[in-house]
Amino acid sequence: ETGVTQTPRHLVMGMTNKKSLKCEQHLGHNAMYWYKQSAKKPLELMFVYNFKEQTENNSVPSRFSPECPNSSHLFLHLHTLQPEDSALYLCASSQESGGDYGYTFGSGTRLTVV
Amino acid sequence: EDQVTQSPEALRLQEGESSSLNCSYTVSGLRGLFWYRQDPGKGPEFLFTLYSAGEEKEKERLKATLTKKESFLHITAPKPEDSATYLCAVSEGNNRLAFGKGNQVVVIP
Repeated sequence: ETGVTQTPRHLVMGMTNKKSLKCEQHLGHNAMYWYKQSAKKPLELMFVYNFKEQTENNSVPSRFSPECPNSSHLFLHLHTLQPEDSALYLCASSQESGGDYGYTFGSGTRLTVV
Repeated sequence: EDQVTQSPEALRLQEGESSSLNCSYTVSGLRGLFWYRQDPGKGPEFLFTLYSAGEEKEKERLKATLTKKESFLHITAPKPEDSATYLCAVSEGNNRLAFGKGNQVVVIP
């Protein structure tokens, strides 16, 4: 275990469903991130939260809605997704949002949109 | 334009056959360069951070080096358990890491 826990590990959803991904970190970090990982592509930053405040939204479609109730928990709410949204969604945390100390990643949620 | 380019994209090695992975970057004002290891179905696992040209770090069979334009990850006498995708990322200190596409390494017994 890395100290960053993501649930569920796998998710299959239809295009009309609504679901949520959950991330929890036990490292005392103050920054949390959502990344999307697709085959043959670099990791794509989606959202950044620093001390519970969203500091970056990297032009992500509104069908992805993040929520950060406190520094230890991060959610990604999903609705009306498209098949091209199928990917591995990774949560990460770091001590400082500048990223100078590296990120700790969770194991990811493998999302399949059918 | 990609900020981080990794080569080769895929590499097959015989056990014990040393090799190097390349990560070239184009960012200005580099705050740090990071190497991660990712196993199938798992998240990236942190390996090294390098901050300035000339810096080197080692961990078991892995050694990372940094110049002003690129970093190398040297794998010495690899074992099958070194099979993984190795990711390189750079930080400009602006709340984000820019990742490369990765080097997929397979070590054959």
